[in-house]
Amino acid sequence: EDQVTQSPEALRLQEGESSSLNCSYTVSGLRGLFWYRQDPGKGPEFLFTLYSAGEEKEKERLKATLTKKESFLHITAPKPEDSATYLCAVQAQNTDKLIFGTGTRLQVFP
Amino acid sequence: DVKVTQSSRYLVKRTGEKVFLECVQDMDHENMFWYRQDPGLGLRLIYFSYDVKMKEKGDIPEGYSVSREKKERFSLILESASTNQTSMYLCASEPLLEALRDTEAFFGQGTRLTVV
Repeated sequence: EDQVTQSPEALRLQEGESSSLNCSYTVSGLRGLFWYRQDPGKGPEFLFTLYSAGEEKEKERLKATLTKKESFLHITAPKPEDSATYLCAVQAQNTDKLIFGTGTRLQVFP
Repeated sequence: DVKVTQSSRYLVKRTGEKVFLECVQDMDHENMFWYRQDPGLGLRLIYFSYDVKMKEKGDIPEGYSVSREKKERFSLILESASTNQTSMYLCASEPLLEALRDTEAFFGQGTRLTVV
């Protein structure tokens, strides 16, 4: 069964304290792995898509990496405005369905 | 910018009522999705549609139905609302994945439904 597990559930960081969020997945043939950011009371906002092991993508303080079993979202020198829930989702081959993890709630304190 | 608009941000309905949640997208996307989001459970797919009048069940379709009469509009229907359908409902749209590699789903702002 296709499955996505995110850890930790919650993460509290001091401003400037770098860290990583983990997304472990099992899927019958990966078509793509997606990272989204969700602010309270809003819909998820797209960040990255990764397609194959070894791929990396960056956007400002965020960098996403992918292996055959997991993805990491690295946050370098975070700021309070990076506080949000980060969602990971996978898409299997031959389907348009996304399977989401339960997210990591990140809080960055000044 | 792609825009996915859900008709209501907040709704309060009574048990047994028939509830319609509307979603409209303005980018001519083929695929549209309805999810519900609950604490600790993440986003779970209710139904999706890849074309007008086409629909497929997601992981939790029980108690729901959908309608897609026009490409830009995808409606979620709760035939007889129950308290366990209290949740955040999210609509999403995306182009056909076969057509483009770097695509992603665009989400609406969500409808928080409370059934009392």
